Amino acid sequence: SQKIEQNSEALNIQEGKTATLTCNYTNYSPAYLQWYRQDPGRGPVFLLLIRENEKEKRKERLKVTFDTTLKQSLFHITASQPADSATYLCALQEGNMLTFGGGTRLMVKP
Amino acid sequence: ETGVTQTPRHLVMGMTNKKSLKCEQHLGHNAMYWYKQSAKKPLELMFVYNFKEQTENNSVPSRFSPECPNSSHLFLHLHTLQPEDSALYLCASSQDNYPRFYEQYFGPGTRLTVT
Repeated sequence: SQKIEQNSEALNIQEGKTATLTCNYTNYSPAYLQWYRQDPGRGPVFLLLIRENEKEKRKERLKVTFDTTLKQSLFHITASQPADSATYLCALQEGNMLTFGGGTRLMVKP
Repeated sequence: ETGVTQTPRHLVMGMTNKKSLKCEQHLGHNAMYWYKQSAKKPLELMFVYNFKEQTENNSVPSRFSPECPNSSHLFLHLHTLQPEDSALYLCASSQDNYPRFYEQYFGPGTRLTVT
């Protein structure tokens, strides 16, 4: 099965800067890769889905890239705000299941 | 009610108790899931149901028993749990399951403590 690596250390950035989070995987490239946001004590909330034949996907201030050669996805939040502070999870499709990474906690300071 | 709801939100139970977690989705989805989230560990998929049929059991111990009476409701029956089963149990749903993949909608979770 896939091993998914997300930076377990918190990412601290200043308000207004761009946050970049990394998701690396080890085995075959999945057909779909998804990003979710999770706030403490709550369920994850879907943000973006990118397919293996897509290089980039955007939604408002969010951008996801998918590099099947590097086996990596990058998640960007531009013009970050304190309200963006949360844990961000990437998830890869394996058969009929989603396998989640451990998430990276983002802290945006005013 | 909208989205995915879960009850109870918090549950404390002894190792000899029997309890059930309930999940209901109001989105007209066909697939439902149970996940376990322990402290400092990734979300772990437990069970997948597609059109009320269980399509995945991710090597879950038999002390966890799922039930899906229809596409809108999902239960997780618990008995003789261990303290290491204490975790946040999350229910999710999606429009369909496979081969095409759709985003999943999660409930707020049940925080379970086994004493």
